[in-house]
Amino acid sequence: QSALTQPASVSGSPGQSITISCTGTSSDVDGYNYVSWYQQHPGKAPKLMIYDVSNRPSGVSNRFSGSKSGNTASLTISGLQAEDEADYFCSSYTSSSTAFGGGTKLTVL
Amino acid sequence: EVQLVESGGGLAQPGGSLRLSCAASGFTFSSYWMSWVRQAPGKGLEWVANIKQDGSEKYYVDSVKGRFTISRDNAKDSLYLQMNSLRAEDTAVYYCARYCSGTNCFRYWGQGTLVTVSS
Repeated sequence: QSALTQPASVSGSPGQSITISCTGTSSDVDGYNYVSWYQQHPGKAPKLMIYDVSNRPSGVSNRFSGSKSGNTASLTISGLQAEDEADYFCSSYTSSSTAFGGGTKLTVL
Repeated sequence: EVQLVESGGGLAQPGGSLRLSCAASGFTFSSYWMSWVRQAPGKGLEWVANIKQDGSEKYYVDSVKGRFTISRDNAKDSLYLQMNSLRAEDTAVYYCARYCSGTNCFRYWGQGTLVTVSS
């Protein structure tokens, strides 16, 4: 059982926006502004997309954005593109360790 | 260009040992915390261990404490994971990752090495 809860799957059409939620507790998501998001294509290594709740590393499209409210963090992808189809994982700092969500499979219809 | 290349994975018997290595290049290895993260087949990511720049601090997920040891050799730009008393549930792809500077995230990842624990 993952420490953070994500929906198993989400889908959207090209050009649309989707949001993936990540629910934790006061010990992780709600306790720190250290939520990050990773994109993983099949057979590939994860790629950092968002860190510190809402910051994008250099080279990541501004179509990706992050936010947090209480114990729930969210990743929003706007202007959905076929290449966005992948698994997405959230993570949060929690007392000298890192917790991950179970992952969400994004399907671009 | 940052590169992280893992090696040492393979088949091990339950109760056996393996040592994973990660060769780093393209950045000043000794300036960063480093981590191991694993992913069981078809499953999600699981943080395994972190090590500070000089090796003075190490942290582990509860399930591997006492069995796994993370270490580094800054002179060789290399990270290691010594895995003892292996269990079937340790079967996973193990990724070496460079920790983010000043915050909690994994900025760069290797391609991973598969560890299979089976008799």
